[in-house]
Amino acid sequence: SQTIHQWPATLVQPVGSPLSLECTVEGTSNPNLYWYRQAAGRGLQLLFYSVGIGQISSEVPQNLSASRPQDRQFILSSKKLLLSDSGFYLCAYNRDKSGEQYFGPGTRLTVT
Amino acid sequence: KNQVEQSPQSLIILEGKNCTLQCNYTVSPFSNLRWYKQDTGRGPVSLTIMTFSENTKSNGRYTATLDADTKQSSLHITASQLSDSASYICVVTTSGGSYIPTFGRGTSLIVHP
Repeated sequence: SQTIHQWPATLVQPVGSPLSLECTVEGTSNPNLYWYRQAAGRGLQLLFYSVGIGQISSEVPQNLSASRPQDRQFILSSKKLLLSDSGFYLCAYNRDKSGEQYFGPGTRLTVT
Repeated sequence: KNQVEQSPQSLIILEGKNCTLQCNYTVSPFSNLRWYKQDTGRGPVSLTIMTFSENTKSNGRYTATLDADTKQSSLHITASQLSDSASYICVVTTSGGSYIPTFGRGTSLIVHP
């Protein structure tokens, strides 16, 4: 069976500090991978997606970046966090090209 | 521009009652439409997925309908339970290589005892 992991589950970071969120997928190969952010009371905003190792597409210009060093690993990073980076970050993958996405448990990031 | 609009924004109902959530979209070319349930602080979980040729799909007490001509979908919840309290998100995906979905903002449903 396929599973998706994210860590950490919660994170409190000061403004200007770096960020690294990790997402890994098990039980599937060559998935499409996605990073979303959900601000409080808002919908899901697609940040990055990847169709393969080293292939990253950015949907929203910002101070975040993403990398895919391995087939089933997706990392979201920032060199200097802003207050506006606070939110709920979700990683997701497509098991096949049908478009149905499976979401991880999320990381709650609070920038203070 | 691809858009997905959901209504109502929030809804409060009593346990045991039925309710219907609406989704209108302008996504083109259409591939599929999905309804997700998102509990507070959790990732969304898929309830139904519908392609162009499907009009109705059920998953237990959840029934989704799709009218591809008017580009509307609804999610009907029967005999609501307290555990149905969540955000319900409509997601439409275009056909094509990248399969980038367009998300609605969701309907927040609260079921009261």
